Amino acid sequence: DAMVIQNPRYQVTQFGKPVTLSCSQTLNHNVMYWYQQKSSQAPKLLFHYYDKDFNNEADTPDNFQSRRPNTSFCFLDIRSPGLGDAAMYLCATSRGGTQETQYFGPGTRLLVL
Amino acid sequence: DQQVKQNSPSLSVQEGRISILNCDYTNSMFDYFLWYKKYPAEGPTFLISISSIKDKNEDGRFTVFLNKSAKHLSLHIVPSQPGDSAVYFCAALPGTYKYIFGTGTRLKVLA
Repeated sequence: DAMVIQNPRYQVTQFGKPVTLSCSQTLNHNVMYWYQQKSSQAPKLLFHYYDKDFNNEADTPDNFQSRRPNTSFCFLDIRSPGLGDAAMYLCATSRGGTQETQYFGPGTRLLVL
Repeated sequence: DQQVKQNSPSLSVQEGRISILNCDYTNSMFDYFLWYKKYPAEGPTFLISISSIKDKNEDGRFTVFLNKSAKHLSLHIVPSQPGDSAVYFCAALPGTYKYIFGTGTRLKVLA
């Protein structure tokens, strides 16, 4: 089945220690997104790639970076995680047209100690 | 400043009855809206959408109504089933690729 896969499902890191979250897709979609969702809050868009074009949201902290080495994979790098970065991180894809749905992965829950 | 609001954090409904989930938005320029359903330990899955040129869209037991003048949309589930118990997110698409989500409503359907 075509899908969006996120690894790992749970990640524990230490305060200030860089961490990378991974997302892959078998849908061959052009657009990949990263969202941050904290408890009882709305998923918040951090950035998205259309193919190799990177689009950062204006309020995404510099601490968050992303890489998309090919169509299938996209990574979220947190350079120096703080306690406030503990959250669920959701990866999503869409084909790349207008008024489309997104397909989400199961998410990675990040814990910062 | 929350542009998409789901003011009811939770809702309980008896099996077989109607579930109505509400969503309000602030920007009249929003032109496409989606509902997602999320089970624990899974990502959100698409449920139904509506374009601003329509005021109703139906898919089986699920109907979304859009009231543009009130900047309000609602999701109706009839009849509700225990398997519908999940968190429901409303989302708006104000521009290409910029989805804005609400905080979600947790629906519990009681058997």
